[in-house]
Formats: sequence, structure tokens, C-alpha cells
Amino acid sequence: EPEVTQTPSHQVTQMGQEVILRCVPISNHLYFYWYRQILGQKVEFLVSFYNNEISEKSEIFDDQFSVERPDGSNFTLKIRSTKLEDSAMYFCASSETGGLTTNYGYTFGSGTRLTVV
Amino acid sequence: AQSVTQLDSQVPVFEEAPVELRCNYSSSVSVYLFWYVQYPNQGLQLLLKYLSGSTLVESINGFEAEFNKSQTSFHLRKPSVHISDTAEYFCAVSPWGTSYGKLTFGQGTILTVHP
Repeated sequence: EPEVTQTPSHQVTQMGQEVILRCVPISNHLYFYWYRQILGQKVEFLVSFYNNEISEKSEIFDDQFSVERPDGSNFTLKIRSTKLEDSAMYFCASSETGGLTTNYGYTFGSGTRLTVV
Repeated sequence: AQSVTQLDSQVPVFEEAPVELRCNYSSSVSVYLFWYVQYPNQGLQLLLKYLSGSTLVESINGFEAEFNKSQTSFHLRKPSVHISDTAEYFCAVSPWGTSYGKLTFGQGTILTVHP
């Protein structure tokens, strides 16, 4: 069964450093997403990406965050200057289509646990 | 905007007992509904979903959920649980009519099945 692959599984970074989280979505999927889950809290939507541009973002996704699909297979989330409160599990997801289809549904990756120290 | 409330943060049950995990949502528009499961140290896996049609949906491992529009609920049930069902379960919704499928999650329910 096709998978969404995220690397690394765990990353530790110092406050103020830039970090890039990487994801390889399922190859025929067109919609891409990042979510995060702070320990003990809800899974929260960060951003959706379609046709090489951001289609929607949450208030969490401020200027410190950016996403990119640099080579047609990878989908990255960059945090420019990490803060302690960015520590969370970050999930990438992809979807064949975000629209009205009976096949609608996400496939999530297993996540990257980001620890900012 | 949408919001999802899972009424129980933890549900302990004994093996072979029935279980119900409760989920209520609020939305100004119609929504799709989902249950995801997260096993320890793993990602979110789709358990089942309601898009349209029959309000009772089933998963391959014996879980079922019923969409109740009047009560805005989507409770998850299983008549007889196994130890392997121990996991965290998330209810989620996504609004109709949007092309980009943003999911809003509940806070999760930890199901612990005891022998």
C-alpha cells in the first residue's frame, strides 16, 4: 500500500535555528498538507498546498513557516527561527483530491517529532 | 468554522467488552466525517469515513460509526474489543464544498483494552 514518508523521525534543534522537515507524498496525489500535534493537545491544521501554491493556511502558519515542493516529489516544511513552542509532532499528509469524491481521504505520514531546546 | 468535541479523553475497557467513543461536532456547513486511529509511535491511520449515503459506516476491523445529523454526532462503536485495539482515536471533520480538504480534529480518546 502506498505510503507517505517523513524524514527524520525525530529532530532536535536549538532555539533560533532553521529546520526543514521533509515529506515524500504518494506519487499520484495532488494535495499536500502539514499538521502538527503539540504534546497533549489536538492535531492542528497548518497549511494546504496545491498546484505549487498555498491554498489555505492557519493562523499558526506565520512568516516563520514556509512550504515548498522543490523537485516534484518532496514536500518540505521550513521553520526559519525555531521557538520552544514549536516543539511538536509534525505530520505530512497527501490526498488524491480534496474535492467531492468517494475516494476522498488523507494518507498521513508517521510524523517527525521536533524538539526545540 | 468547524469544531469537534470528543467527550471522553480516556476509555478503559476489558477485552471482548463493547465500546463506544463519542464524537460531536459543530459546523455552519455540511461536513464529511472521519475517524482516525494512532497506535503508539505511529502516524494517523484512517479508520472509517462518512461522505454520503448510508449513515452507518464500517471498517474492516469491526468498528462502525453512525452519522446522526440531528444530534451532530458520529460515535464510534465496536461490539467486542481486542487488546490490539489499544490506541488513540481521533474524530475529524472537513467541510463540503472546499477543494482543499482542511481537517478539524477532536482532542482524541485513548482507548485502553485490558486483558
